[in-house]
Amino acid sequence: AQSVTQPDIHITVSEGASLELRCNYSYGATPYLFWYVQSPGQGLQLLLKYFSGDTLVQGIKGFEAEFKRSQSSFNLRKPSVHWSDAAEYFCAVGARGSYIPTFGRGTSLIVHP
Amino acid sequence: NAGVMQNPRHLVRRRGQEARLRCSPMKGHSHVYWYRQLPEEGLKFMVYLQKENIIDESGMPKERFSAEFPKEGPSILRIQQVVRGDSAAYFCASSLSGTAGDTQYFGPGTRLTVL
Repeated sequence: AQSVTQPDIHITVSEGASLELRCNYSYGATPYLFWYVQSPGQGLQLLLKYFSGDTLVQGIKGFEAEFKRSQSSFNLRKPSVHWSDAAEYFCAVGARGSYIPTFGRGTSLIVHP
Repeated sequence: NAGVMQNPRHLVRRRGQEARLRCSPMKGHSHVYWYRQLPEEGLKFMVYLQKENIIDESGMPKERFSAEFPKEGPSILRIQQVVRGDSAAYFCASSLSGTAGDTQYFGPGTRLTVL
């Protein structure tokens, strides 16, 4: 079975600074990988996903993520954070042939003005 | 172009009462998934339904919990005789095809509080 780890529970950055949120997964083959964002009191919104091909994936709101097979990682990045990016971020991994992704416990992003 | 809708957004029940949570998928979607989120935890899969059928209920407790997705109307997650441990946010998601890796679109959730 697949699993996913988000090692950072909280991340604090200043507005305008760069951001990297870590995600490591465990799966025997190439998985499907997702990043979702959850604003307070809201549902999850898909930022980006990786299925195959180019390992650098562009998403919405200026986010990108890079799939690194050798490190079993799928870290989320943004070059310049805005105050509105403050939210909970979830990485999810899906096994090939499975319709149910496994979610990490999330990373809470705090943005200082 | 409505997204996934859930109601109620907040639900308060006393121990022993029943909770009914409703989910209307995106237009054209016939695959519905229910998840539970406890504080400071990720989403835990509960059940996957397609119109009139339960496809996978491996994440749903065997007792007190049930789900349905009738031919007409929303999907319903029903919790009988609620206990304090049922307090959580319950999210519904829908997808177009139900195939592996298919994007799931989430509703805003129902926050259940059991007194």
